[in-house]
Amino acid sequence: QQQVKQSPQSLIVQKGGISIINCAYENTAFDYFPWYQQFPGKGPALLIAIRPDVSEKKEGRFTISFNKSAKQFSLHIMDSQPGDSATYFCAAERWGAQKLVFGQGTRLTINP
Amino acid sequence: GAVVSQHPSWVICKSGTSVKIECRSLDFQATTMFWYRQFPKQSLMLMATSNEGSKATYEQGVEKDKFLINHASLTLSTLTVTSAHPEDSSFYICSAREDYTGELFFGEGSRLTVL
Repeated sequence: QQQVKQSPQSLIVQKGGISIINCAYENTAFDYFPWYQQFPGKGPALLIAIRPDVSEKKEGRFTISFNKSAKQFSLHIMDSQPGDSATYFCAAERWGAQKLVFGQGTRLTINP
Repeated sequence: GAVVSQHPSWVICKSGTSVKIECRSLDFQATTMFWYRQFPKQSLMLMATSNEGSKATYEQGVEKDKFLINHASLTLSTLTVTSAHPEDSSFYICSAREDYTGELFFGEGSRLTVL
């Protein structure tokens, strides 16, 4: 119930293409869904986050799509660039519950 | 944006020694901080939740006597790996939850290598 399942494990996209990473959760009490970007040897950095009262949130080239009934959310990276090559983690928590649950991570490679 | 500073960023020590890692929230107060461990190509594994002024809450399977956590102020939490062994070698990451907004910010991580 506490798991967040993330797919794919790895993804290769051509420069300029769209990168899509998916996550699914079970716990309907989750109400905060962030995405983190992590470069090798660095800590995760918050990329974008969404709450279940909206179905989509866009910040620049990054968009989260949220499907509450399916208990799924996804990250779309438009016009993917080589600098976007990193590991991406989705996460979920019940706001204030003090514990963020992470997905397994997706290693994204953008080919020039 | 809010900054969480972790120090040292990397450390090499001999087996049997103890190593302390600091996690500081530089421009905000954080009653709650978290310590994670990350193995290569894997996700972050929560080790413990650190609360200012009280004992840390450890996740199942994490030895509290091995990984000592102290959260003495609203801006500082420390993780001490006691009697370190090669299997303790890992990437340790802290995060701090801003008291006012509830947002979570991560440190840059600390690479521990035990010889």
